[in-house]
Amino acid sequence: DGGITQSPKYLFRKEGQNVTLSCEQNLNHDAMYWYRQDPGQGLRLIYYSQIVNDFQKGDIAEGYSVSREKKESFPLTVTSAQKNPTAFYLCATAGTGYEQYFGPGTRLTVT
Amino acid sequence: SQQGEEDPQALSIQEGENATMNCSYKTSINNLQWYRQNSGRGLVHLILIRSNEREKHSGRLRVTLDTSKKSSSLLITASRAADTASYFCATEGNTPLVFGKGTRLSVIA
Repeated sequence: DGGITQSPKYLFRKEGQNVTLSCEQNLNHDAMYWYRQDPGQGLRLIYYSQIVNDFQKGDIAEGYSVSREKKESFPLTVTSAQKNPTAFYLCATAGTGYEQYFGPGTRLTVT
Repeated sequence: SQQGEEDPQALSIQEGENATMNCSYKTSINNLQWYRQNSGRGLVHLILIRSNEREKHSGRLRVTLDTSKKSSSLLITASRAADTASYFCATEGNTPLVFGKGTRLSVIA
């Protein structure tokens, strides 16, 4: 998983609460990404940022928010507006090449 | 969306056999990548093939790309139990990487 940290590994929240997932990297990569993975499914892009203080919506941004105040950090907030937030969330980075580097993931369960 | 579609969805083979997974996509791409995911973990990049390349090798991995058919294949030779994982293709064009749903490979010792 390289120099990408996601914490915590498991997260439990009650319905209606906002929750923030952490993603920190020490790879000095400019681009960072958030994906959602549901059981037996591929990855779907939530948000991405190619430079500090700038980010773009992905395919499923509704109910999520992000910030990119530092190069090393790209936190994802899952808001109460997200209808089905229980999933496995993956953060990734990319440097000058095209390949992405992934963190270990956070499994969020909302009940 | 130019999502790749992997085929088969699941594959079970004996150790030492070769494993072939296929990926089809819908629109023109700049490159196609293959990733591996062990259960409950993050993805690991395996290999990238550019749109002007037809074949690429890396260790026991062989990737082909046919842009006229919009398809790619990943061959893992002499498979090992440790190759058991899910394998995803991802395409990059005018948008960030778009991932398929993956092929779940089981290698039986």
